[in-house]
Amino acid sequence: AQSVTQLDSQVPVFEEAPVELRCNYSSSVSVYLFWYVQYPNQGLQLLLKYLSGSTLVKGINGFEAEFNKSQTSFHLRKPSVHISDTAEYFCAVLGRGAEGAQKLVFGQGTRLTINP
Amino acid sequence: NAGVMQNPRHLVRRRGQEARLRCSPMKGHSHVYWYRQLPEEGLKFMVYLQKENIIDESGMPKERFSAEFPKEGPSILRIQQVVRGDSAAYFCASSTGLNEKLFFGSGTQLSVL
Repeated sequence: AQSVTQLDSQVPVFEEAPVELRCNYSSSVSVYLFWYVQYPNQGLQLLLKYLSGSTLVKGINGFEAEFNKSQTSFHLRKPSVHISDTAEYFCAVLGRGAEGAQKLVFGQGTRLTINP
Repeated sequence: NAGVMQNPRHLVRRRGQEARLRCSPMKGHSHVYWYRQLPEEGLKFMVYLQKENIIDESGMPKERFSAEFPKEGPSILRIQQVVRGDSAAYFCASSTGLNEKLFFGSGTQLSVL
């Protein structure tokens, strides 16, 4: 079975500082990994995903993540954050449910707060 | 093309009442997923439906919860005899097919008094 652990429940950062949100996963099958962002009072949006190929994945809004198979990690990074990046961030791994259907398994979420 | 629409945005129920959460998928999407976000927890998969069929309900509590996605109209997540522990945000997502990209709605916040 797949599982995801987000090591930090809250991350406060000053504006224009770099940030890293940590994610570790476990999976017994091929690994497909995702980062989603949830802005206040909104649904989830896909930030980026890793399916195969280059281990460094670039997403929207200047975010990127690196897939590290040996460390079973998929940490999210941004070199310089903005106030508008304040949101909840969810790491997810694609699991397989009945009939082979996709079933996203999410981490607990990390609340990123950007301070001026 | 409107996104995934969920309503109501906020739903307040007293213990023992019924809650009905609606999800209209994006146009052209025939696959619907329901997730629940409990306070201080991540999102948990509940159920996956295609039109008129439940494909995977492994995440649904055994009692009081049911879901449907009729041929016409929105998908409905129904919670009977709600309890305080049902208070959570319920998110719906839709896709065009198996393993295609998911699009999420804004969620319904259920509060049980």
